[in-house]
Amino acid sequence: EAQVTQNPRYLITVTGKKLTVTCSQNMNHEYMSWYRQDPGLGLRQIYYSMNVEVTDKGDVPEGYKVSRKEKRNFPLILESPSPNQTSLYFCASSVGFRQPQHFGDGTRLSIL
Amino acid sequence: AQKVTQAQTEISVVEKEDVTLDCVYETRDTTYYLFWYKQPPSGELVFLIRRNSFDEQNEISGRYSWNFQKSTSSFNFTITASQVVDSAVYFCALTPMSGNTPLVFGKGTRLSVIA
Repeated sequence: EAQVTQNPRYLITVTGKKLTVTCSQNMNHEYMSWYRQDPGLGLRQIYYSMNVEVTDKGDVPEGYKVSRKEKRNFPLILESPSPNQTSLYFCASSVGFRQPQHFGDGTRLSIL
Repeated sequence: AQKVTQAQTEISVVEKEDVTLDCVYETRDTTYYLFWYKQPPSGELVFLIRRNSFDEQNEISGRYSWNFQKSTSSFNFTITASQVVDSAVYFCALTPMSGNTPLVFGKGTRLSVIA
């Protein structure tokens, strides 16, 4: 089954404790991206990747890091999480940059 | 800069009513793509449609239809004979056909269909 898998689905953690949200897709897609969804703000892009070893900032990259060492994986790293990063996060992938995106089920992060 | 405005934050309708979700966009690019995505209460995001700026023909898919009007920079979405399963948050999004500008989403419209 074609899918984008994110882990964990839920996480409560404390300020400053490094965390990684994993994202994996099994569709051999070149394009992957991360979004955060906040009430009243819709979806905003954090980082995206056109292909392996190619990543770029989206609209709200501050406080986040990503890497794309393999085509299927695109982890989101919060080196020193802060409460304003409490949000619902989505990973997505697509065949190309402007193609319809397949989204993961989301990861709800709470940073205390 | 790209901008997508979904002025309707929340809409409530009774089952079987028709409902239109508005989407107005701003872009300096002459060629671009427009999208609609659905987010049901379960939380996942589901792709509904992609249109390119060359094609202003309306599109119909079952009870769903989309009206793209370049003259008014709008890409409205109509659900005919709404059903409870249509209850969701709907997002409109835009990306230019050239360059590396990320997909820009509107803030979404929450549709509640009441039985």
